[in-house]
Formats: sequence, structure tokens, C-alpha cells
Amino acid sequence: EVQLLESGGGLVQPGGSLRLSCAASGFTFSSYAMSWVRQAPGKGLEWVSTISGSGGSTYYADSMKGRFTISRDNSKNTLCLQMNSLRAEDTAVYYCAKYYPYSSGWPRGAFDDWGQGTMVTVSS
Amino acid sequence: SYELTQPPSVSVSPGQTARITCSGDALPKQYGYWYQQKPGQAPVLVIYKDSERPSGIPERFSGSSSGTTVTLTISGVQAEDEADYYCQSADSSAPYVVFGGGTKLTVL
Repeated sequence: EVQLLESGGGLVQPGGSLRLSCAASGFTFSSYAMSWVRQAPGKGLEWVSTISGSGGSTYYADSMKGRFTISRDNSKNTLCLQMNSLRAEDTAVYYCAKYYPYSSGWPRGAFDDWGQGTMVTVSS
Repeated sequence: SYELTQPPSVSVSPGQTARITCSGDALPKQYGYWYQQKPGQAPVLVIYKDSERPSGIPERFSGSSSGTTVTLTISGVQAEDEADYYCQSADSSAPYVVFGGGTKLTVL
């Protein structure tokens, strides 16, 4: 059974930093691209970032480029998201999601497993 | 930037058929995917590659594609199907995944 467990969320001031982690189990972690998807309170889903299985390729939504850094440690089955220069509009639940390439790789597939999410609140 | 457009809400009575549409210019070239999200829970993939159903998803969930629109159909809607539904696809001109704005399905 696939399990994705996020941690690291919390309250941070505008301009501050936070590092999210996702512990994965139940599948061959290094074989799959992994992603972060967020959801602001009462709003829809927003893709944040994706990293390939090897970690050699990374992708970011425009509003996150230069502020967020996605990484992974395949020896520890862990996905991370370093978030810097945080803004109030970054307040959201951040989900870790396993990407499945249903159709010839990124970005034509979908997210077939999700964690329960970790809440990030950016406020003074 | 590329957008997928969904109706904000759809309402149906139990036992009826619910149809939720998702429109986007790239959908003739890119597959559509659908997620169900209940309050306080993570999304669950219910349809992949326009019309395929993952294991464990009830047969009353189906998907179709026509031109610039993909459609999620729920036949014989049950009270437990009340949820938010999101479509997702790929941007044809950039390495991005895009979600629709979501549709709240209300079972009357």
C-alpha cells in the first residue's frame, strides 16, 4: 500500500522560509516522479512543482520559480520542498503526490496517490 | 497561461446522472484526468486518460472526450458522491500540469 506522509508545515512570517518533507513507502520511490500540489483555504488545486525519479529534472509553476526548490533523497525515500520568501498567498495545504506517467511522461500523466497534506500559514 | 474551465456547481437528485464538463484548448491533444475530493480529505483519481477508471472506482463513474471538452459522468448518483471534482491536463506549450477550478457536486 502506497503511503505518503507530509510534515514540516506551520506558521511562518511573510518573507520567511519553511521546509516540507514527504516520507514515502509502499512503492519503488526512485522509479516515480513526485510532485507537490497545494490548495489554499476554500480554493482549488494548484500544481506547485515536480521532480523526476532520478532527481535530474525539476519543474515549477511560474509563481514558485526562484522561491521554491524541490528535491528528493532516494536512499531515504523522502521528497522535500524548500520554500523561501514566503507570501500570504502561499498559505495553503501542501500535498505530496506520486506522479504516474499514463501517457509518455511529464506532464501528460496524473497523480495517482496523495498524502493527507500539511498546512502552511504565512502571516504576521 | 493555459486554463481549464469547469462549471462551479452541479446539482442532481439521487439516482440521476450528473455530468461535469471541463473545457480547454489543448484537450484535443492532451488527456484529461478527474479527481474527487471530499471535505477534509486528499483528492482521489477517479478517471485517467479521458475515460479509464482506476481499480476500486465504482463503475458509475465514467469519462469521455469530444473536441476541446472532457466530461465526467456519474450515473445513478449516490449521496456519497457529493464532493468537489477537479479536471487536470497538460499544457501543450510548457512543462506544466493544469487543474480546472473545480465543480461542487450537490446531491439534493
